[in-house]
Amino acid sequence: EDKVVQSPLSLVVHEGDTVTLNCSYEVTNFRSLLWYKQEKKAPTFLFMLTSSGIEKKSGRLSSILDKKELFSILNITATQTGDSAIYLCAGGGYQKVTFGTGTKLQVIP
Amino acid sequence: DAGVTQSPTHLIKTRGQQVTLRCSPKSGHDTVSWYQQALGQGPQFIFQYYEEEERQRGNFPDRFSGHQFPNYSSELNVNALLLGDSALYLCASSPDRRPRPQHFGDGTRLSIL
Repeated sequence: EDKVVQSPLSLVVHEGDTVTLNCSYEVTNFRSLLWYKQEKKAPTFLFMLTSSGIEKKSGRLSSILDKKELFSILNITATQTGDSAIYLCAGGGYQKVTFGTGTKLQVIP
Repeated sequence: DAGVTQSPTHLIKTRGQQVTLRCSPKSGHDTVSWYQQALGQGPQFIFQYYEEEERQRGNFPDRFSGHQFPNYSSELNVNALLLGDSALYLCASSPDRRPRPQHFGDGTRLSIL
């Protein structure tokens, strides 16, 4: 059965800190690793990674995939209170996407 | 350009009843997936529809069924509701069957009393 495990489950940091969120996966017919941010309702797309070792960046957020170790990390630098959310990692197979339980990030002013 | 829209936003039902949730995909998207998200958990894949057929199914009982219409909109039906069916039901759409970044709707919050 496909499995995605995220760590830590929750994290409390101060504004300006840098955080690293971890995601390991076991997904049949793996095609992509996806990161989403979920605040109140709909998860919003952050990154899709398909190749090992190529970092994707968007502002203060970046992510990288290691297909050999079946692992991905999401980095957030200079955190802001608006980064407080649940960060979801998902492994995409041929048709099915399997989500982890998420990392709840709280950024304190 | 409207994103993924779901209705209703909230719903309260009692055990044993049946419910139908609706989803309109983002314009240009033809694939719809449904997820159940219990409190404190990540979304759990229920099933995916493409070309009006169920293409892939997660580990959910037959009480969960769906439909996709020619305009790509979709319905999720749940029969014989249980207390454990209380959750946020999310619909996601993408341009094709492959795991492109899916766009999510705001979900339907279903509460079973």
